[in-house]
Amino acid sequence: DAKTTQPTSMDCAEGRAANLPCNHSTISGNEYVYWYRQIHSQGPQYIIHGLKNNETNEMASLIITEDRKSSTLILPHATLRDTAVYYCIAADQGGKLIFGQGTELSVKP
Amino acid sequence: GAVVSQHPSRVICKSGTSVKIECRSLDFQATTMFWYRQFPKQSLMLMATSNEGSKATYEQGVEKDKFLINHASLTLSTLTVTSAHPEDSSFYICSAIDRGNTEAFFGQGTRLTVV
Repeated sequence: DAKTTQPTSMDCAEGRAANLPCNHSTISGNEYVYWYRQIHSQGPQYIIHGLKNNETNEMASLIITEDRKSSTLILPHATLRDTAVYYCIAADQGGKLIFGQGTELSVKP
Repeated sequence: GAVVSQHPSRVICKSGTSVKIECRSLDFQATTMFWYRQFPKQSLMLMATSNEGSKATYEQGVEKDKFLINHASLTLSTLTVTSAHPEDSSFYICSAIDRGNTEAFFGQGTRLTVV
């Protein structure tokens, strides 16, 4: 699986959009970009994934650059409950996910 | 999203004993399940991949005789930590993927403490 690089931590004001970047310059053609988040002492929660087109669901939007070497997860209106570690993972569809260190997002009032 | 349930959510056992952790897919058939371990302040580390009806595939460095995995049905996989020692204390998490889906779903995790 391709390695991803994310900032270690980020802060965001409550109610503002949180934009979490991810670099995956070695992603291969059959690998998707997956985003999960983990709130303390819980299992990871699926957020969104995409191959090359931008994606949006009820939780977030995923913007993937045209060359697929990077992406951004957007939480449009962050709340305190969005405080978590966010993981960006490049993987095929088989479900095997190799986790990096992720970004610790702190949403502040 | 699909629901994956782990049991127990936390367990304390004595050193030298074995502990079994169950992972169930509640509303779908999981062709493949995965087991992860997470130490405090660290990321999840994949331990093994479990396919229904076949032997699990272990990641490098994971002892297959210590971490026994059984995936007897399309809705249940179990991880048994044999002869547990304090260094096995960790957060164990499973995930499962449906043959018709492209994303894996995770259980809530099991906190194992070996005393």
